[in-house]
Amino acid sequence: QKEVEQNSGPLSVPEGAIASLNCTYSDRGSQSFFWYRQYSGKSPELIMFIYSNGDKEDGRFTAQLNKASQYVSLLIRDSQPSDSATYLCAVKDNDMRFGAGTRLTVKP
Amino acid sequence: ETGVTQSPTHLIKTRGQQVTLRCSSQSGHNTVSWYQQALGQGPQFIFQYYREEENGRGNFPPRFSGLQFPNYSSELNVNALELDDSALYLCASSLAGIRLYSYNEQFFGPGTRLTVL
Repeated sequence: QKEVEQNSGPLSVPEGAIASLNCTYSDRGSQSFFWYRQYSGKSPELIMFIYSNGDKEDGRFTAQLNKASQYVSLLIRDSQPSDSATYLCAVKDNDMRFGAGTRLTVKP
Repeated sequence: ETGVTQSPTHLIKTRGQQVTLRCSSQSGHNTVSWYQQALGQGPQFIFQYYREEENGRGNFPPRFSGLQFPNYSSELNVNALELDDSALYLCASSLAGIRLYSYNEQFFGPGTRLTVL
């Protein structure tokens, strides 16, 4: 079974710190990787996607992909209380497979 | 607001009943995917429809079925409801089949919360 694994958390960081969220996947052939944010009671919204090994930056967010290690991460710089949410890692092969999510709390 | 709407917002059914959930895609989007999200879990892919035909299916039994209409709205039907079917059901629309291109962003609707008693 193809798996996408995330630490469930909760991960707690102080305001202004860097939050680091990690994800591993089992299918070595996976090509596309996504990070979604889901606020409590809301639907997921896309933060970033990444295809190539290395880093991809968008504002305060940086996605990192290492296909050899089957590892993808999301860094959130200058974390804000509004970043408090569940972060879902997703991997696309033929279908989109999501991890269970990591709950992040940013404390003022 | 993503432009994707779902109805109803909440629904309570009893075991063995049948349910139909509805999704209206974002304007111009020809692909809809349905997901089941149990409490504390990530969304699980149920199936996808592209131009009114099923274009992929996850590990769900045949009692989960769907339709997509010419206006690209869609339905998810679940027969013989079981207690474990209690979940948030999400639809997501995109411009093209997720199987056909590397990526076209999916836009999620707000979901339907189904409770099976």
